[in-house]
Amino acid sequence: DSGVTQTPKHLITATGQRVTLRCSPRSGDLSVYWYQQSLDQGLQFLIQYYNGEERAKGNILERFSAQQFPDLHSELNLSSLELGDSALYFCASSVSRGGQLKDTQYFGPGTRLTVL
Amino acid sequence: AQKVTQAQTEISVVEKEDVTLDCVYETRDTTYYLFWYKQPPSGELVFLIRRNSFDEQNEISGRYSWNFQKSTSSFNFTITASQVVDSAVYFCALNPTIQGAQKLVFGQGTRLTINP
Repeated sequence: DSGVTQTPKHLITATGQRVTLRCSPRSGDLSVYWYQQSLDQGLQFLIQYYNGEERAKGNILERFSAQQFPDLHSELNLSSLELGDSALYFCASSVSRGGQLKDTQYFGPGTRLTVL
Repeated sequence: AQKVTQAQTEISVVEKEDVTLDCVYETRDTTYYLFWYKQPPSGELVFLIRRNSFDEQNEISGRYSWNFQKSTSSFNFTITASQVVDSAVYFCALNPTIQGAQKLVFGQGTRLTINP
């Protein structure tokens, strides 16, 4: 158990809908990261938040957004869902004080999103 | 550009055999970190090792060992006396130098099957 929690574990929804994925980082970690794992794209970095502020963006669609709250938990919002958004979404966290490259990212169990 | 290549898509061996998973990376950075993660059938991503670009010492942890060669941009992973529980997808990842940000760049993964 990495200490990172994600809810829900599974999510099934229809095209055009909006969903919210939730992540709680390990105790003491300030950075939260979101990744998408799909069969065709592999594991792709989406976005990083550090202590409530956006720190880095990857290949995140405009239909997707995220935020990190004062208690450091994070939410990833996916809207106008398409079939191609079906994937496993991972949250990770790290201590990341001052953006340390060496910090290990510990991953949560993931949320499997299925868009029908 | 930052890139990680795991040329072996799938490997299948019989239990107790040794197996090496290859990882080749591309980066122009002089400071970076490399990681290996394991994704068992249950789906979570489990951290295995972190190595910085200035430390070329090989590392051994039980049946696991890692060989980092900066000259060939490789960070290979060997499992000695493999066991069925080692069956998983293994990912190599690069954390390049981006001020204040940490975005892991993952390889496509190697699916390792250990047969009894």
